[in-house]
Amino acid sequence: AQSVTQLGSHVSVSEGALVLLRCNYSSSVPPYLFWYVQYPNQGLQLLLKYTSAATLVKGINGFEAEFKKSETSFHLTKPSAHMSDAAEYFCAVSEPKSGGSNYKLTFGKGTLLTVNP
Amino acid sequence: KAGVTQTPRYLIKTRGQQVTLSCSPISGHRSVSWYQQTPGQGLQFLFEYFSETQRNKGNFPGRFSGRQFSNSRSEMNVSTLELGDSALYLCASSLGVPGQGMNTEAFFGQGTRLTVV
Repeated sequence: AQSVTQLGSHVSVSEGALVLLRCNYSSSVPPYLFWYVQYPNQGLQLLLKYTSAATLVKGINGFEAEFKKSETSFHLTKPSAHMSDAAEYFCAVSEPKSGGSNYKLTFGKGTLLTVNP
Repeated sequence: KAGVTQTPRYLIKTRGQQVTLSCSPISGHRSVSWYQQTPGQGLQFLFEYFSETQRNKGNFPGRFSGRQFSNSRSEMNVSTLELGDSALYLCASSLGVPGQGMNTEAFFGQGTRLTVV
């Protein structure tokens, strides 16, 4: 069974500082991995996805993530935090099924990012 | 291009009642998934429909059901509501073509906030 662990339910950074949100996954097959962002009272917006192509994935709003199979990790980074980055971030995994699609996402518990002026 | 539309945005129901939530996917998308989001359990997969057929189901009691219409619009129903059903219910749509795995991402609606009193 697949699972996702996000280390740190709350991360606080200063504006302009590096953002690092950690995600480790467990999967019996090579997974697809995603990072989503959620603003208050909103749905989820996809930041980036890994689907077995390049291990360093660039997403929207300056975010990127690196897939490390040996560490079963998919940490999200941004070089310089903006106030507008304050939101909750979710890492998700999906296990592709051969011969068909698997659109079941398993999410981590989320990390609330606070950006201080 | 219109996004995923969920109606209503907010709903208050009494214990024991039933409720129906609606989701209109992005035009051309044939896969619709439903998720429940609560502070305690996080984001949990309910079910996924593709071309009017349920392809995946999460670990929820039979009180939770869904369906998909020929125009890909989907509804989910919760019968005999319990206080613990209070949550944000999110719908996501994808192209969902079988065999392509997660090459296309899931686009989420803004959700329906259900409060059971």
